[in-house]
Formats: sequence, C-alpha cells, structure tokens
Amino acid sequence: NAGVTQTPKFRVLKTGQSMTLLCAQDMNHEYMYWYRQDPGMGLRLIHYSVGEGTTAKGEVPDGYNVSRLKKQNFLLGLESAAPSQTSVYFCASSTQGGNQPQHFGDGTRLSIL
Amino acid sequence: AQSVTQPDIHITVSEGASLELRCNYSYGATPYLFWYVQSPGQGLQLLLKYFSGDTLVQGIKGFEAEFKRSQSSFNLRKPSVHWSDAAEYFCAVGATGNTPLVFGKGTRLSVIA
Repeated sequence: NAGVTQTPKFRVLKTGQSMTLLCAQDMNHEYMYWYRQDPGMGLRLIHYSVGEGTTAKGEVPDGYNVSRLKKQNFLLGLESAAPSQTSVYFCASSTQGGNQPQHFGDGTRLSIL
Repeated sequence: AQSVTQPDIHITVSEGASLELRCNYSYGATPYLFWYVQSPGQGLQLLLKYFSGDTLVQGIKGFEAEFKRSQSSFNLRKPSVHWSDAAEYFCAVGATGNTPLVFGKGTRLSVIA
C-alpha cells in the first residue's frame, strides 16, 4: 500500500537553482495538495488541485509553481530557490475537498544554501 | 471561511496520565472535524474524524474526541498516555465544497516517565 509517495526525501540546493518535487498517489484521489511545514508555523498550503489539469493557489503560493498533468501526480516547482524556501514539504491527497480526510506523504526535507 | 485554534503549543504529561488536547473552530455551519498525529520525521496520520451523528468519536491508538457545538470545540482525549504518544497533534476543520481543510498550528506532546 504505497498511498502518497514523495520524491526526493532530502535535497540540498544552492540559491537560484531550480528543482521539482514529485508527488504520486495510487488511491485515485481527485484532490491533491502541497504544504510547507516550518517550526511554529504549522502547515501552510502552497497550492492545490481539485482534479487533473487544474491548480489553485493556497496561502503561500509565491515562488512556487505546480502542475497536475496526470491525475495521480502533482508536481511542485521552485523556479529560483531562495533560503526562505528551506522547509519540509508535504504532499497530500483526498477523494473530495473539505469534507474528506487528507492522506499525507512522508515529506521532502529541502535546504537552500 | 473556517478557522481553527489550538491554544496549547506544548503540553507535557506523565506516562499513564490522562490527556486532553484542545481544539476550537470557527465555522457557520456544521463542520467536518479531524485530528491528525505527526511523529518525528513522518507525515500526518489521521487519528479520527467527525462528520455528523454521535458527538463522541473513537479513533485509532485509543484516542477519542468529543464535538461540542455550544463551545465550538473538538477536544482530543486519551485516558492513559504511553511514551510512544509523544508527537505533534493537529486539529483540522473542513466544509463542503472545494475548499481545502484548515489546519491548526499544532500541539506538541511530550511524555515523561
């Protein structure tokens, strides 16, 4: 039972570099989400998707882009990484929106030097 | 829009003692309520959920929560805490439609011998 799988688990980048975080779910969920978690800040929603081909901004979207070309995958891109984007990133998925629980991956720890 | 507050940032309890973690929400209609647990280095795991019906909800790992509409609360309880319960706990509130869940900032639980 894979559930939600995030790739990679760890990454160190230099300021200005770009990278893509991959989230894959095998539960046929419609909704997918990207969060960042920082000490004392809880989970903050970056972007989310309510279905294949759709994306929407969350609470902290600046500096990030996303794509949902396939239902099972949700990609998070950092175009030009900044030290303020050092964080732990979590992907989640759900069958529907706010009336269903979200299922989380194990996170990607990203450090920007 | 809905919101959720977890008033306690950090709680310490002795092993074997009872536990209550507080969660207060704000939403005009009947909310969908969730509790999650996050162990160090891992993603969030669903403990329990409330959609409707019985206001006392049983979850995994011996946890329960009670929905109190008059107090806009959904407190998490466990009668006897084990050292393995040390983790961060998140309360979340949802609504019908596409709006994602709103998470509280979390309560960190420490368990001492």
